[in-house]
Amino acid sequence: DIQMTQSPSSLSASVGDRVTITCRASQVISNSLAWFQQRAGKAPKFLIYATSSLHSGVPSRFSGSGSGTDFTLTITTLQPEDFATYYCQQYDSYPPTFGQGTKVEIK
Amino acid sequence: QVQLVESGGGVVQPGRSLRLSCAASGFTFSAYGMHWVRQAPGRGLEWVAIISYDGSNSLYADSVKGRFTISRDNSKSAVYLQMNSLRAEDTAVYYCVKVPFMRSTTGTGDFWGQGTLVTVSS
Repeated sequence: DIQMTQSPSSLSASVGDRVTITCRASQVISNSLAWFQQRAGKAPKFLIYATSSLHSGVPSRFSGSGSGTDFTLTITTLQPEDFATYYCQQYDSYPPTFGQGTKVEIK
Repeated sequence: QVQLVESGGGVVQPGRSLRLSCAASGFTFSAYGMHWVRQAPGRGLEWVAIISYDGSNSLYADSVKGRFTISRDNSKSAVYLQMNSLRAEDTAVYYCVKVPFMRSTTGTGDFWGQGTLVTVSS
């Protein structure tokens, strides 16, 4: 199985900050990389697929990039509703696997 | 709008069975594959199973293979997860998740239900 490792595991930031979360795959994957946001007590929400394509309705302050084994989620101008846990997921091969999550907390 | 509503969770003893259901609406159910994904309390996300749009193909995580069965009824816009020989480590919130692309079995999902909690405990 492909292992996905996110860093950092948690971070503290302020409203208006720029935040970057990285995700590393244990082997080269195509661009089949997705990002999810999960607020406390809620189901995950689909943010980005195919590394950099924004899901319908997702604000443009979210963006994704990367290739090979290294991928990034960037949130420009952090908003109060963005404080949540973020997960990356590879779907290049079965079984699909998720990173362990990055919790974005209020500083 | 897409809606996925899971049901059937509860407390069950180890070794017993449980059947989860997911009722779908707001999209052409028969054209999309469906996943089950679970999340143990305080833990991350784990993919469980996928069924193709027509029910002809399914795949499972090694951790549930041989114990869980995914199925669907396109006439009822519903997907199911039959869970047998349950273990304590199966305790989790189970989410029903829609595949983003028509007639695809891609491993990601764009819409998630609210989840149903399964607790395996004696």
